[in-house]
Amino acid sequence: AQSVTQPDIHITVSEGASLELRCNYSYGATPYLFWYVQSPGQGLQLLLKYFSGDTLVQGIKGFEAEFKRSQSSFNLRKPSVHWSDAAEYFCAVGTSGAGSYQLTFGKGTKLSVIP
Amino acid sequence: DTGVSQDPRHKITKRGQNVTFRCDPISEHNRLYWYRQTLGQGPEFLTYFQNEAQLEKSRLLSDRFSAERPKGSFSTLEIQRTEQGDSAMYLCASSLATQGNYGYTFGSGTRLTVV
Repeated sequence: AQSVTQPDIHITVSEGASLELRCNYSYGATPYLFWYVQSPGQGLQLLLKYFSGDTLVQGIKGFEAEFKRSQSSFNLRKPSVHWSDAAEYFCAVGTSGAGSYQLTFGKGTKLSVIP
Repeated sequence: DTGVSQDPRHKITKRGQNVTFRCDPISEHNRLYWYRQTLGQGPEFLTYFQNEAQLEKSRLLSDRFSAERPKGSFSTLEIQRTEQGDSAMYLCASSLATQGNYGYTFGSGTRLTVV
C-alpha cells in the first residue's frame, strides 16, 4: 500500500529565509505526487504536482519541488519565505486503483514564519 | 465558477444523533470525493463518485456512514448515531475527468464536533 512520510511536524523560519519541506513516499509504481497548502479552518489548495517528465516542478506562489526517484522523495522548496506562507503543508501521492484517483496524504508540516 | 461549496461550515452534535453534510461541486465536474481529516493528520479518502455512481468506498466508511449523489450534482454525507471519534473536518473535492486524473478542487470543509 502507498504511504507518505513528512518527517517534520513543525518548522519555523525567518521571513526572507529559504525553505525546504521534506516528503518521502512509498508506492510500487511510478507515483503521481502533489503538494497542497492549508490555511487554518480552510480547505486544501494545490501548489504543484508531478506526473512525469522534468523532475523539477514549478508551482504557484514561488514554490518548486524536485522528484528524486532514487531517494523516493519529493521535497518542496521556496527561496524566500513570506509571512503569508505560514500554513500547513501536505504532501500526497496519487493512486489509480479502481480508477478512483484517490490521494494518500502525509500528516503535514506546519510552517511558522517569524519577522 | 464559485468553487466547491460545503454546508454547514461547523456542526456541533450530541453523541448518538444523526448529521448530514452537503457538498456542491463545481458545476461541470463529474467526479466528487469525500475525505476526512482528524486533528494533526492529513486528509483520508472516504469515498468517490463519478456522476451519480458511487464507485469506491474506503474501509474507513463504516456502516454508520452513507453518501449519495442523486443526480450527479450535489452530494450528501450522512453519519448515523454519531460517536466522539467522528469529530473531524469533512472535506469534499471535485474534478473533471478530462482534466487529467487529479485536478482536484477542495471545498473549505465541514468541521464536526461530537459532544
